[in-house]
Amino acid sequence: QQQVKQSPQSLIVQKGGISIINCAYENTAFDYFPWYQQFPGKGPALLIAIRPDVSEKKEGRFTISFNKSAKQFSLHIMDSQPGDSATYFCAEAGNNRKLIWGLGTSLAVNP
Amino acid sequence: EPEVTQTPSHQVTQMGQEVILRCVPISNHLYFYWYRQILGQKVEFLVSFYNNEISEKSEIFDDQFSVERPDGSNFTLKIRSTKLEDSAMYFCASSGHRNTEAFFGQGTRLTVV
Repeated sequence: QQQVKQSPQSLIVQKGGISIINCAYENTAFDYFPWYQQFPGKGPALLIAIRPDVSEKKEGRFTISFNKSAKQFSLHIMDSQPGDSATYFCAEAGNNRKLIWGLGTSLAVNP
Repeated sequence: EPEVTQTPSHQVTQMGQEVILRCVPISNHLYFYWYRQILGQKVEFLVSFYNNEISEKSEIFDDQFSVERPDGSNFTLKIRSTKLEDSAMYFCASSGHRNTEAFFGQGTRLTVV
């Protein structure tokens, strides 16, 4: 069964620090790698996404790094804030956009 | 900002009963999805729907499950005879095109007792 391996399961970061979450994928046919942010009681919301033809994408404090040869991609949250405390999911998809999800990372940013 | 709306937010049902989970996708979207998330586990794809028919379904989506777009706005997931293991958070999502972002609803928490 296809899967995306996400780590760590939980992460505690001090305010202003860098949060790093990693994912490893298996299927090289996939061409869409999004990160979703989920707050308690809410549905997942797209944070940032990347395609394998670029190695990095940055949107504000959020950066995806993509390593095609290692089949890994990571989310970096710079200057982490308490409001960033949430569960983060990586996912992968092919052109049918059926999302295959990682297990999630619970991020807590201490004030 | 347009959003995907799901009702009810929480449904409690007895094992063996039928449930219908409702979703109102974003109005001009064409692709619709159901996902579920069992507590503490990952989000799992159930089914995708386009042009009034199922595009793809997972092995979870067996004969007990069905989807329907009964009118121009609603998209429903029916579970015919619920089992305890169907207890989960069910998310509806929609996208404008196959290759664009899917927007998720807030979810329906289904509890089967």
